[in-house]
Amino acid sequence: EAGVVQSPRYKIIEKKQPVAFWCNPISGHNTLYWYRQNLGQGPELLIRYENEEAVDDSQLPKDRFSAERLKGVDSTLKIQPAELGDSAVYLCASSKGTADEQFFGPGTRLTVL
Amino acid sequence: RKEVEQDPGPFNVPEGATVAFNCTYSNSASQSFFWYRQDCRKEPKLLMSVYSSGNEDGRFTAQLNRASQYISLLIRDSKLSDSATYLCVVTSGNTGKLIFGQGTTLQVKP
Repeated sequence: EAGVVQSPRYKIIEKKQPVAFWCNPISGHNTLYWYRQNLGQGPELLIRYENEEAVDDSQLPKDRFSAERLKGVDSTLKIQPAELGDSAVYLCASSKGTADEQFFGPGTRLTVL
Repeated sequence: RKEVEQDPGPFNVPEGATVAFNCTYSNSASQSFFWYRQDCRKEPKLLMSVYSSGNEDGRFTAQLNRASQYISLLIRDSKLSDSATYLCVVTSGNTGKLIFGQGTTLQVKP
């Protein structure tokens, strides 16, 4: 069974540029998460979707970050404009439901110069 | 104060050693507890859930003390392949939201 797929795996951009990350969850998983992991820290939740509905986006910096999961499957996370402090690994995870085990994708490593 | 606190280490141990990691959490309403393993430049993967009665999976034993809000992970007979970062994870109240500690790095040396 295929795991969570993310692309790109690496992205280097200059500050003030836009960037987008894509995630394809495990088939049949209704819950999708976006996390940010800074160096030497654990992942921090940015947003959680139940199907196409964002049910927890309290940690998403809404002035520059946006996310969507239009058909309740794939999701994109966008940053516009990017800042130096956005350099991190952006992890997508999915689970069958909120109380079920979360499976993580390989992440996108973003470097903002 | 962080919701989940861990000693970042690193813990450097020889093969065959027994090593223990500890973690404390601040939200007494947390309901579920886990240890995740994260290899260098890889994604986190669930190692084991943690129950009040304690649970064991091969060389790994996890314990939970709700009164002290304390979680532990014991690794016996350490292998080189156990080298990784171990993340303590709790749920935020009853929301199911996972709160990760910063992780404890283990290096097992020959």
